Amino acid sequence: SSELTQDPAVSVALGQTVRITCQGDSLRSYSASWYQVKPGQAPALVFHGQNNRPSGIPDRFSGSTSGNTASLTITGAQAEDEADYYCHARDTTDNHVMFGGGTRLTVL
Amino acid sequence: EVQLVESGGRLVRPGGSLRLSCAASGFTFSNYGMAWVRQAPGKGLEWVSSISSASGYIYYADSMRGRFTISRDNAKNLLYLQMKSLRAEDTAVYFCARDDVYCTSTACHDVFDIWGQGTMVTVSS
Repeated sequence: SSELTQDPAVSVALGQTVRITCQGDSLRSYSASWYQVKPGQAPALVFHGQNNRPSGIPDRFSGSTSGNTASLTITGAQAEDEADYYCHARDTTDNHVMFGGGTRLTVL
Repeated sequence: EVQLVESGGRLVRPGGSLRLSCAASGFTFSNYGMAWVRQAPGKGLEWVSSISSASGYIYYADSMRGRFTISRDNAKNLLYLQMKSLRAEDTAVYFCARDDVYCTSTACHDVFDIWGQGTMVTVSS
């Protein structure tokens, strides 16, 4: 089956812009959804589809897709954005759900 | 308020069984697919199983197929995960999530838009 690949760790200076990427063949058919996970908390959906940000998520979070790569961009990263971020999509071959391995974001 | 509340997690011996429950409220449960996702200590998110709104479609991760059974009771707004032959590597926080799957003209979308707080399953002797 397919898989989704993320960089294990990314860092960004406070107030700067950071892009977290997710690669996988299934992203050519399924849009990526993005989740923020903080220690001891449930995952929270932060972006999905072409331009969908859930209520309560700051507009500094945005997403895009090009070919087999999806990106989550945080414009003007804040200290509270420090967390693990996971992408998610479905495998078009067997309809199984896939998560990327996660990217740990550090805000310096 | 839209809410999912898991229960049933506890310490269980290797080889044992356990049933997790997820109570849904604040939305029309029977209109949505649901899923179980787990996170082992220090590890990433791992999909466990998904079930469609009327239980017509059920999927399992390869490592859980044959040991885990997902089901739902739409009359009671409850989602279940029956687990058997538990192993130490099944130790994790288990989350239930609402699964919204839809397709447009350009792409399909699969979104876990609502999550429970999780229930801890520990498999140890």
